[in-house]
Amino acid sequence: GQQLNQSPQSMFIQEGEDVSMNCTSSSIFNTWLWYKQEPGEGPVLLIALYKAGELTSNGRLTAQFGITRKDSFLNISASIPSDVGIYFCAGHTNTGNQFYFGTGTSLTVIP
Amino acid sequence: DAGVTQSPTHLIKTRGQQVTLRCSPKSGHDTVSWYQQALGQGPQFIFQYYEEEERQRGNFPDRFSGHQFPNYSSELNVNALLLGDSALYLCASSLGVGKKTQYFGPGTRLLVL
Repeated sequence: GQQLNQSPQSMFIQEGEDVSMNCTSSSIFNTWLWYKQEPGEGPVLLIALYKAGELTSNGRLTAQFGITRKDSFLNISASIPSDVGIYFCAGHTNTGNQFYFGTGTSLTVIP
Repeated sequence: DAGVTQSPTHLIKTRGQQVTLRCSPKSGHDTVSWYQQALGQGPQFIFQYYEEEERQRGNFPDRFSGHQFPNYSSELNVNALLLGDSALYLCASSLGVGKKTQYFGPGTRLLVL
């Protein structure tokens, strides 16, 4: 199956700092989704991207669909303690008609 | 607007047993996908149901089977449980046509002893 690599694997940051993470693939995707998951819960959809080059914001979160269609980026500005969790990217390809998930980025915010 | 619901929330089984997990999709959605998430890993696609048929399948053995009902709800069945089947099982719903956006339920935590 498709392999999505997320980096960094984990981040420890001070409250108020900005965060950047990315997701790369060897294949082209037509849709990128970003999720946040907290312990014992299902992933919560944060941002959906449908077109190469698209830049979409959701509050302090901003995500971009890479021009090559093989990558996507998520930025969080002015982090707060409730941003703690694991962030997953997911890419969809019409050929496989399924979503492939990244390995996750664990975010810890130090007050 | 009801989101995706799953039942039960937790389940403990022993090796060799069979289990059935249930999912009701988000209101207005007609497609259900099932995922297995092992501890510390991302969700792995098991299969997808649309119009009561399995449309796509990931790399999972035939012990994993499913069903979709006319009201779009779905079941995931796992036979001959193995210790390695212990995981969080997630259901995601979406629309079969149009933009591909999935919403997840809270999951069912399965422990196989």
